[in-house]
Amino acid sequence: EVQLVESGGDLVQPGRSLRLSCVASGFAFDECAMHWVRQAPGRGLEWVSGIGWSSASINYADSVRGRFTISRDNAKNSLYLEMNSLRPDDTALYYCARAPRGFYTHMDVWGKGTTVTVSS
Amino acid sequence: QSVLTQPASVSGSPGQSITISCTGSSSDDDDYNYVSWYQQHAGKAPKLMIYDVTYRPSGVSDRFSGSRSGNTASLTISGLQAEDEAAYYCSSFTSSSTLAFGGGTKVTVL
Repeated sequence: EVQLVESGGDLVQPGRSLRLSCVASGFAFDECAMHWVRQAPGRGLEWVSGIGWSSASINYADSVRGRFTISRDNAKNSLYLEMNSLRPDDTALYYCARAPRGFYTHMDVWGKGTTVTVSS
Repeated sequence: QSVLTQPASVSGSPGQSITISCTGSSSDDDDYNYVSWYQQHAGKAPKLMIYDVTYRPSGVSDRFSGSRSGNTASLTISGLQAEDEAAYYCSSFTSSSTLAFGGGTKVTVL
């Protein structure tokens, strides 16, 4: 079964750091681009960051650039999001998603998400 | 940089057809060759419904169809059913090499 499972979400204070993980199974992880997408409570979807299959292509939304770092370990079928200098407006459900045909196209498999809450 | 604008809500009765628009701010039509659409039921993860403007993934009902005219993409749901009540988001590549989502459209089945 094709599956993405996120973990690492937590309640953290503003200014602190957190690392999210996403473990993939059931498909050739090293052939797919991957993305992080977040959804604040009661709000719409917001693209956060994406990474190509070889990590050669990486980009970020303006709202997180310079604070968040995306990475992947193809040997472990894992995607990561290192989040630094967290702010209250980073509070959201964070999804990882697969982009099977390249960085800039559609996302066809999504995880259930992991919740990040930034509050003092 | 493209901003994608969707209507906040659309409603219809069972059996009717509805169309959700997604209008981009970029004047470059090539920015809209990879528009995709996602359905999200309350409390659930998004589900891909349409990709590359008009293509349906395997398993998605043929009641869902996509189209595009210039900088506006559209998702049409034919034969509206109660299970179609959800939020729908369009997404597209942007000229700054990022991805963008529209604000989302809440579909209500009357």
